Amino acid sequence: SQQGEEDPQALSIQEGENATMNCSYKTSINNLQWYRQNSGRGLVHLILIRSNEREKHSGRLRVTLDTSKKSSSLLITASRAADTASYFCATDGGGFKTIFGAGTRLFVKA
Amino acid sequence: EAGVVQSPRYKIIEKKQPVAFWCNPISGHNTLYWYRQNLGQGPELLIRYENEEAVDDSQLPKDRFSAERLKGVDSTLKIQPAELGDSAVYLCASSRLIQETQYFGPGTRLLVL
Repeated sequence: SQQGEEDPQALSIQEGENATMNCSYKTSINNLQWYRQNSGRGLVHLILIRSNEREKHSGRLRVTLDTSKKSSSLLITASRAADTASYFCATDGGGFKTIFGAGTRLFVKA
Repeated sequence: EAGVVQSPRYKIIEKKQPVAFWCNPISGHNTLYWYRQNLGQGPELLIRYENEEAVDDSQLPKDRFSAERLKGVDSTLKIQPAELGDSAVYLCASSRLIQETQYFGPGTRLLVL
């Protein structure tokens, strides 16, 4: 079973707009990661946030983590057509097993 | 630095045939992972290696799947015999240590007819 569940399943926005994706999980974690997967390509690691962190930034990406709600969000600001991809959150389930969600499919229209 | 290398990139076989996938992780990475990704889903962990030891293979269907990581570097994943439901993308990933960033290969897309 997949622990992480992304919301929404699909998102379509205009170039320049912000995109927000959410991830909920069931058990306690040590860290949570976000990955991007372009069509036909492998997964690329975006950000890792540890359970004692609340927010991290990387370029146009902002990730928040609320362990009390067992949820995380990924914000992409000023989106570009090249951001079109599937985005996955992955947790460690409190141990060493990496568990991915089903992903959010983002489409950025030029 | 070279990334994770996988081969073949694509494989089409008939059901009941055997198939093998190969993975070369990033140099110096002790942890190696095999995942299966079905269409429209996230990757599902099949097996994780720490050096040459399989430390988590709880999701590996052991009746038909096998894996090995000789000398703690390259790894192969085998399916014998393949079933229609095995059609998926098989991803290999590696990390320097457990719980660190995983780097994924491009995957092998398997189609079982």
